[in-house]
Amino acid sequence: AQSVSQHNHHVILSEAASLELGCNYSYGGTVNLFWYVQYPGQHLQLLLKYFSGDPLVKGIKGFEAEFIKSKFSFNLRKPSVQWSDTAEYFCAVNLGSSNTGKLIFGQGTTLQVKP
Amino acid sequence: KAGVTQTPRYLIKTRGQQVTLSCSPISGHRSVSWYQQTPGQGLQFLFEYFSETQRNKGNFPGRFSGRQFSNSRSEMNVSTLELGDSALYLCASSLGVNDEQYFGPGTRLTVT
Repeated sequence: AQSVSQHNHHVILSEAASLELGCNYSYGGTVNLFWYVQYPGQHLQLLLKYFSGDPLVKGIKGFEAEFIKSKFSFNLRKPSVQWSDTAEYFCAVNLGSSNTGKLIFGQGTTLQVKP
Repeated sequence: KAGVTQTPRYLIKTRGQQVTLSCSPISGHRSVSWYQQTPGQGLQFLFEYFSETQRNKGNFPGRFSGRQFSNSRSEMNVSTLELGDSALYLCASSLGVNDEQYFGPGTRLTVT
């Protein structure tokens, strides 16, 4: 069965540190890739998405992600985190060839940024 | 543009009862998906509707059902509630089937 794996369950960083959250998926076909963020007490928000084209995608709030097809990875990065980035981050995959909107989510990574 | 709305936001039910949750998608969005979020299992896909038709269903028992109306609003129903059904139920809408999904705030269901 298709799955999404997020390697880091809990990450603690100081402000201004760089961030990289790993995401790998298991599916050999065409995929659409997403990162969502859930701030404390808020609903899931779309950070960025990849459908096709340039494998380096930029999202909101200075986040970016790189799709590496050969590694089945879609890692999220931010050069300098802020205290307000404290949240839970979810990687999600849609099987592009399946003609369905079903998202398969990773288990999530809790990011804590210390001021 | 208003976001996805879900009602009610919180619900407490007793084992054996049934519950209906409602979702209003973003205006113009025709696809609605439902997910269950729990601390142990994370976010799991329940079902997906497009133009009043269920296009896909997740690996949940038949007690979980849903429907979509002609105005794209959707409801999901859980019958014969079990303690394990306690979760945050999220609705998401998108323009089309493979487009990015926008999530609502969820309905927090507690089964006692």
